[in-house]
Amino acid sequence: NAGVTQTPKFQVLKTGQSMTLQCAQDMNHNSMYWYRQDPGMGLRLIYYSASEGTTDKGEVPNGYNVSRLNKREFSLRLESAAPSQTSVYFCASSEPGLNTEAFFGQGTRLTVV
Amino acid sequence: AQSVTQPDIHITVSEGASLELRCNYSYGATPYLFWYVQSPGQGLQLLLKYFSGDTLVQGIKGFEAEFKRSQSSFNLRKPSVHWSDAAEYFCAVEQSFQKLVFGTGTRLLVSP
Repeated sequence: NAGVTQTPKFQVLKTGQSMTLQCAQDMNHNSMYWYRQDPGMGLRLIYYSASEGTTDKGEVPNGYNVSRLNKREFSLRLESAAPSQTSVYFCASSEPGLNTEAFFGQGTRLTVV
Repeated sequence: AQSVTQPDIHITVSEGASLELRCNYSYGATPYLFWYVQSPGQGLQLLLKYFSGDTLVQGIKGFEAEFKRSQSSFNLRKPSVHWSDAAEYFCAVEQSFQKLVFGTGTRLLVSP
């Protein structure tokens, strides 16, 4: 049981390049999320998908786009990377309802130079 | 808007000593509260959660937390710290759709 799998684990981009971070979950969860983690700021929500076919902005969506490809997969795209997007990105999934929790992937460490 | 405050950026505790990590939240209704732990280079692992009922909740690895509505607090405790507990700890409150608002984290250092 893999849980939440993120690829790649590490990436270095040049300013202006584009890339897509991949996330897949095998827990049949309806909701998925992308967070970024920066030193001294904790984790902040970029985008989320409450269910297949829907996506919504979180706290820090600028510079990002997302695609909920199917129930399992939720990708995050940087169209034109900027140094301010250097961060660790975490994907998470959960099942809506009472007494549930979010499960996190291992993270993608992205450096934009 | 909901917010979470973890006032301690770093805490150093001697191995075998007790630990308390502070967390204060701002939320209008009854909060759903969580503590996560992150070891270096790893993802987040849930330690414990509070939804309702008993205000003292038990988690994994010997951790517990107490919800105090009057103080808007959800402090994490462990009676005896082990060197393997060195990590970063995050408190979080749930918004709608299981979206989480995190505190800035507390890094725990364990001295021999």
